[in-house]
Amino acid sequence: GQQVMQIPQYQHVQEGEDFTTYCNSSTTLSNIQWYKQRPGGHPVFLIQLVKSGEVKKQKRLTFQFGEAKKNSSLHITATQTTDVGTYFCAVGSGNTPLVFGKGTRLSVIA
Amino acid sequence: EPEVTQTPSHQVTQMGQEVILRCVPISNHLYFYWYRQILGQKVEFLVSFYNNEISEKSEIFDDQFSVERPDGSNFTLKIRSTKLEDSAMYFCASRLRGGDTEAFFGQGTRLTVV
Repeated sequence: GQQVMQIPQYQHVQEGEDFTTYCNSSTTLSNIQWYKQRPGGHPVFLIQLVKSGEVKKQKRLTFQFGEAKKNSSLHITATQTTDVGTYFCAVGSGNTPLVFGKGTRLSVIA
Repeated sequence: EPEVTQTPSHQVTQMGQEVILRCVPISNHLYFYWYRQILGQKVEFLVSFYNNEISEKSEIFDDQFSVERPDGSNFTLKIRSTKLEDSAMYFCASRLRGGDTEAFFGQGTRLTVV
């Protein structure tokens, strides 16, 4: 099945700093999804990217899908303490289940 | 807003016992999943269920595990003869359809095997 590598595993930032997490696949992806899991919570869908080179924004979050559809990134501008959690990318197509990356755990120091 | 509900929220069981984790997916969704997350680790796929049968399962989902949709609403995960290493958070998820739809996760059941 499809696999994705996600880096970094951990990221500690000062509040107000930017944060980026990356997902990479060895195969071309039909789409990629991003989820956020707050500490003690469950994964919550953030967004899906489908098109080559696609860029989507949600307030301070910017999501990109690579031109070759093999990588994706999530960038948070000016982090806040509410951004704390683990960010996962997930891939799956057709009837295949979503497979999650290992996640990037974000800590924000106030 | 529709949501996936899971019960119980926390289950403590003795090693070797059987447990049943319950889920009520979103009513019009067609795909159902169980995932497992060992503390601090990734969300691992266990099994997917579509059209009243298992559509895919991972290496983790061996003979110790089974799933059932006993009626039109419930979706259960049975773990037989639990082991210490089965201790984890178990998430149920559902999707309207496959492919390009988002997965809605329940709050999870924290299973502790002692």
